[in-house]
Amino acid sequence: DGGITQSPKYLFRKEGQNVTLSCEQNLNHDAMYWYRQDPGQGLRLIYYSQIVNDFQKGDIAEGYSVSREKKESFPLTVTSAQKNPTAFYLCASSRNGGDTEAFFGQGTRLTVV
Amino acid sequence: EDQVTQSPEALRLQEGESSSLNCSYTVSGLRGLFWYRQDPGKGPEFLFTLYSAGEEKEKERLKATLTKKESFLHITAPKPEDSATYLCAVQAIPNFNKFYFGSGTKLNVKP
Repeated sequence: DGGITQSPKYLFRKEGQNVTLSCEQNLNHDAMYWYRQDPGQGLRLIYYSQIVNDFQKGDIAEGYSVSREKKESFPLTVTSAQKNPTAFYLCASSRNGGDTEAFFGQGTRLTVV
Repeated sequence: EDQVTQSPEALRLQEGESSSLNCSYTVSGLRGLFWYRQDPGKGPEFLFTLYSAGEEKEKERLKATLTKKESFLHITAPKPEDSATYLCAVQAIPNFNKFYFGSGTKLNVKP
């Protein structure tokens, strides 16, 4: 089955640690995205990538980093510089560099302990 | 600045009681408007794409419409399983690499 797989589903981080969230897609989509969702708020764009080895900052990129070494994979690292990392993180992909609808993974809930 | 506003924030309906959800947008130029359904703790599920004013799309009890300033998601004779948060997103010209999301409408349908 084609789709987007995010792992892990739940992640706990100690303050001062970096953690990496995984996102893999087998839809052969060019564009991939990372969003953050907080209670009562809409999805906010962290980073997006239209093509391998290229990515752009979204609206809230500070404290996050990404890589796009393969078309299928777009991992997100939440660094210790992110002061309020507890949130629900969603990865998405779309065809043709973003010219069509985006499809989402099931999300990773990150909690700082 | 490109902006998307959804109303109401929450909506409680009795089973069978039809209603509409609103998505108002302010963009320099609209490339596409998207509706998603999101269940608690899950990723959004794609419902519809609308590209031009006057366009309509239907799926089961849901119908999406688009004008130059807003979109409506009409729910006809809803069932409890329609309970979810409904999200609206827009792509703007020329920067259609981004999807701008509203904060959603949380729908609760009581049996």
